[in-house]
Amino acid sequence: TQLLKQSPQFLSIQEGENLTVYCNSSSVFSSLQWYRQEPGEGPVLLVTVVTGGEVKKLKRLTFQFGDARKDSSLHITAAQPGDTGLYLCAGAGGNKLVFGAGTILRVKS
Amino acid sequence: GAVVSQHPSRVICKSGTSVKIECRSLDFQATTMFWYRQFPKQSLMLMATSNEGSKATYEQGVEKDKFLINHASLTLSTLTVTSAHPEDSSFYICSAVAGGWDGYTFGSGTRLTVV
Repeated sequence: TQLLKQSPQFLSIQEGENLTVYCNSSSVFSSLQWYRQEPGEGPVLLVTVVTGGEVKKLKRLTFQFGDARKDSSLHITAAQPGDTGLYLCAGAGGNKLVFGAGTILRVKS
Repeated sequence: GAVVSQHPSRVICKSGTSVKIECRSLDFQATTMFWYRQFPKQSLMLMATSNEGSKATYEQGVEKDKFLINHASLTLSTLTVTSAHPEDSSFYICSAVAGGWDGYTFGSGTRLTVV
């Protein structure tokens, strides 16, 4: 069974601070995705990383995929209250996605 | 982009009754759909993989007789919670694959409350 460990579980920061969320596994994934979910809604895809060592930027969000394709990180620069939500990493294994436990981010103004 | 519509968004039912949740891919055909369950402030737990025209594949620990899945067409999968009990109360989410891993689109979820 492929497992994804996501940390931290909870993060409460002030507006303007930077943060990093980590996603680690002992298994290799063909690709890894990051989602953001707001209460009462389905997850929304932020990015898919496929190549080991890949770095993708989406405005203030920077995503990295480890060289061995076993881990990934999400870095948010100058967090804003609108970034508040549940962030989920998910690894593609076989024909389905394996989700990490999620990180609840709260950005206070 | 790909859109997945899930209905109803909220449902309250009495214990012992059955509830059907629909998941539709609106602008693409989905040979595979997935059903998840999510508890408050937790991640998504895969319940089953639904393939068009064949039986669903259930994850370990998920009762297939309780959570009936039907994927009769390339644009519709349904999840029926049979003989619902309060412990079945949860947020249920479907997703559909349009093609490749970037084609993973989620529905908006269904909040089921069994009283």
